[in-house]
Amino acid sequence: DGGITQSPKYLFRKEGQNVTLSCEQNLNHDAMYWYRQDPGQGLRLIYYSQIVNDFQKGDIAEGYSVSREKKESFPLTVTSAQKNPTAFYLCASSIRHLQQGYEQFFGPGTRLTVL
Amino acid sequence: DAKTTQPPSMDCAEGRAANLPCNHSTISGNEYVYWYRQIHSQGPQYIIHGLKNNETNEMASLIITEDRKSSTLILPHATLRDTAVYYCIVRAYSSASKIIFGSGTRLSIRP
Repeated sequence: DGGITQSPKYLFRKEGQNVTLSCEQNLNHDAMYWYRQDPGQGLRLIYYSQIVNDFQKGDIAEGYSVSREKKESFPLTVTSAQKNPTAFYLCASSIRHLQQGYEQFFGPGTRLTVL
Repeated sequence: DAKTTQPPSMDCAEGRAANLPCNHSTISGNEYVYWYRQIHSQGPQYIIHGLKNNETNEMASLIITEDRKSSTLILPHATLRDTAVYYCIVRAYSSASKIIFGSGTRLSIRP
């Protein structure tokens, strides 16, 4: 089945360690996104990529890094510079609709807890 | 980019229509209105989107006012499985950025 996978569902790390969250899609979508969600809050955009080997900062990119070496993969690294990394991280993708707005498909999310 | 305003919570009786309002008074001419919902601890699910005409699909209907400053998502026959947080978003079709998710409306369905 086509979709977006994020693994693992739960991730624990010690403070000061970098951690990489995976996101893979087999929908052949050009655009991919990373969001962060804190308890009781909406989603905030961290990074996005419209095409392979290109990505742009979102609203809260500080302390995060990404790469887009393959169309189907968009890993997010949470670095030690991120002051409050504990959150629910969501990956999404969308295909470019020339005549319509984007429809985003979301993965199941990874809940990161930094101890 | 336009922001949206939604009531923080609503409730609806099972089997009745749930009408969720959204204000987007600063929407631009090229921005679409999108609705997503998120069930607890899962990724958001796309529901519907529109530009200026009313839209309907198998999940819901979207009513956009003529001045496009507000919209209403209608779930025609709410079930317990519709309990979720519903997000209203405005976004230009050519933009992959500036996707502003607010805090949404927490919809509770009463048995």
